[in-house]
Amino acid sequence: DVKVTQSSRYLVKRTGEKVFLECVQDMDHENMFWYRQDPGLGLRLIYFSYDVKMKEKGDIPEGYSVSREKKERFSLILESASTNQTSMYLCASRPWATEAFFGQGTRLTVV
Amino acid sequence: AQSVSQHNHHVILSEAASLELGCNYSYGGTVNLFWYVQYPGQHLQLLLKYFSGDPLVKGIKGFEAEFIKSKFSFNLRKPSVQWSDTAEYFCAVKSGAGSYQLTFGKGTKLSVIP
Repeated sequence: DVKVTQSSRYLVKRTGEKVFLECVQDMDHENMFWYRQDPGLGLRLIYFSYDVKMKEKGDIPEGYSVSREKKERFSLILESASTNQTSMYLCASRPWATEAFFGQGTRLTVV
Repeated sequence: AQSVSQHNHHVILSEAASLELGCNYSYGGTVNLFWYVQYPGQHLQLLLKYFSGDPLVKGIKGFEAEFIKSKFSFNLRKPSVQWSDTAEYFCAVKSGAGSYQLTFGKGTKLSVIP
């Protein structure tokens, strides 16, 4: 079975903190994604990566950055957390020609 | 940019009722289409997918979806829902062979009353 593991299920951070969300996949997938999920808004793409060190902005990249130094790991970085970044963050990975596989999600609260 | 519309925000059904959830997308070229389900407290799971071939696709747990190219639609159906189908359902589209991005609809919450 494909496994996409997010490092934390729940996080509470203070406004202005630098926050790292980590995601690891074990299936050698080329593509990895970070989404945020908010009630009534569905899943919105923040960033994606189609190869090591390659990244592309999604629909809502402002306030976020990403890092992909190894194929299996894709990190989402909040440079200076704000309360409007309180959300559920979902990581996904996908090979070229099939569906995406999702992690359990990280519920981030910024206070 | 492609977009995905799900017509209903919240659907409430009694057990054994039939289900149809609407999904329309905006992209005019070749598409790959997906329905995902998120049970309470769980991660997103794939219900079914369409890449090519027979436009009527069967998925897990008795769900099916029909791709109608002329209507840009990919509606999800189930003849008889169960309480355990209570979940949020998301339609997603990937456009074109060279595209990386998977675009999701806003989701439809299904509540099944015993």
